[in-house]
Amino acid sequence: EAGVAQSPRYKIIEKRQSVAFWCNPISGHATLYWYQQILGQGPKLLIQFQNNGVVDDSQLPKDRFSAERLKGVDSTLKIQPAKLEDSAVYLCASSSTGPNEQYFGPGTRLTVT
Amino acid sequence: SQQGEEDPQALSIQEGENATMNCSYKTSINNLQWYRQNSGRGLVHLILIRSNEREKHSGRLRVTLDTSKKSSSLLITASRAADTASYFCATEGSQGNLIFGKGTKLSVKP
Repeated sequence: EAGVAQSPRYKIIEKRQSVAFWCNPISGHATLYWYQQILGQGPKLLIQFQNNGVVDDSQLPKDRFSAERLKGVDSTLKIQPAKLEDSAVYLCASSSTGPNEQYFGPGTRLTVT
Repeated sequence: SQQGEEDPQALSIQEGENATMNCSYKTSINNLQWYRQNSGRGLVHLILIRSNEREKHSGRLRVTLDTSKKSSSLLITASRAADTASYFCATEGSQGNLIFGKGTKLSVKP
């Protein structure tokens, strides 16, 4: 079974530029999550989708972050404009319904200079 | 806000020794999960323990849960250099998302 795919793996941008990350979850997984992991900390949820609907985006900085899940499969996360404090690893995860384990992608390491 | 807090923040042991990591959490839970993260990689699920379970084993891993103390521990027996990683406990939020602690960074020296 193919795992969660993410691209790009690394991205370096200057502050005030925009950036987009892509995630392809495990086939058949209805729930998709985007987490932000700052160096030395645990992942923090940014947004959660159930199929193509948003379940929880309470911790998403909506003035600069946006996300969508087209047709309930792939998802993109965008930052516009980026700030220095957005430097982090952005992790995508998926799970089937119910209290199950989540499967994580390798993450995208973003550096904002 | 963070739910789980791991202790210690860092742990260094020799190969063959046992490693114990602890996690404390604040609110009532349905289950608690442990994940491992190798440097530069995504997280890998290790084990899930439900609130009505007290202990669970998986290979060299042993997890305990004490809901009265709101704490859990992860024991890795006979550690190997390949066990070097960060270990996180996670509890479920109201929508099924995971709430992670800051993790324990384990270093196993050959």
